[in-house]
Amino acid sequence: AQSVAQPEDQVNVAEGNPLTVKCTYSVSGNPYLFWYVQYPNRGLQFLLKYITGDNLVKGSYGFEAEFNKSQTSFHLKKPSALVSDSALYFCAVRFTGGGNKLTFGTGTQLKVEL
Amino acid sequence: DAGVIQSPRHEVTEMGQEVTLRCKPISGHNSLFWYRQTMMRGLELLIYFNNNVPIDDSGMPEDRFSAKMPNASFSTLKIQPSEPRDSAVYFCASSLSGPHSPLHFGNGTRLTVT
Repeated sequence: AQSVAQPEDQVNVAEGNPLTVKCTYSVSGNPYLFWYVQYPNRGLQFLLKYITGDNLVKGSYGFEAEFNKSQTSFHLKKPSALVSDSALYFCAVRFTGGGNKLTFGTGTQLKVEL
Repeated sequence: DAGVIQSPRHEVTEMGQEVTLRCKPISGHNSLFWYRQTMMRGLELLIYFNNNVPIDDSGMPEDRFSAKMPNASFSTLKIQPSEPRDSAVYFCASSLSGPHSPLHFGNGTRLTVT
């Protein structure tokens, strides 16, 4: 079975500071990992994905994520947070042989303050 | 690209009534997903289709829920009879087939059952 965990319900960070939103996963094959963002009253929007290759993946709006196979983690990062980054962030995983099913974490609310 | 289109955006109904949610996926996408989002349970996969065929409906709560995809450009999720605990935001998403492909979400239908 595949699963993904986001250990923090909320992350607070000051504008201009770096941010990290944590994600760990468990799959039985090679993982395909995704990050999504959700703004109020909107659907989820795709940010970035890891398929294979470089462990550091760059995505939309200046976000990046680092894949760490030994720690089974895929943390979302941004060097300098903006107030407009405040939103709900979801990590998601698929694995080889798992079909098209995408399993989401519980979400982390990011709050960026002035 | 019009994105995934869901209707209605909001639905308020009384317990016992039939509710039908509609989804038009992105043209050319051959996988379609129905998710439900609540504060208590987060984001749950209800069912997904590949090439109009239901692949995994293990997340459908009970027999009151049914989903159809009569063609590549339309899907419905029906609840009959509806109950107050069905109140949630229901999202439709579509993607190309294959584990690399991200999901593209609609803006959801907010269902309230009184």
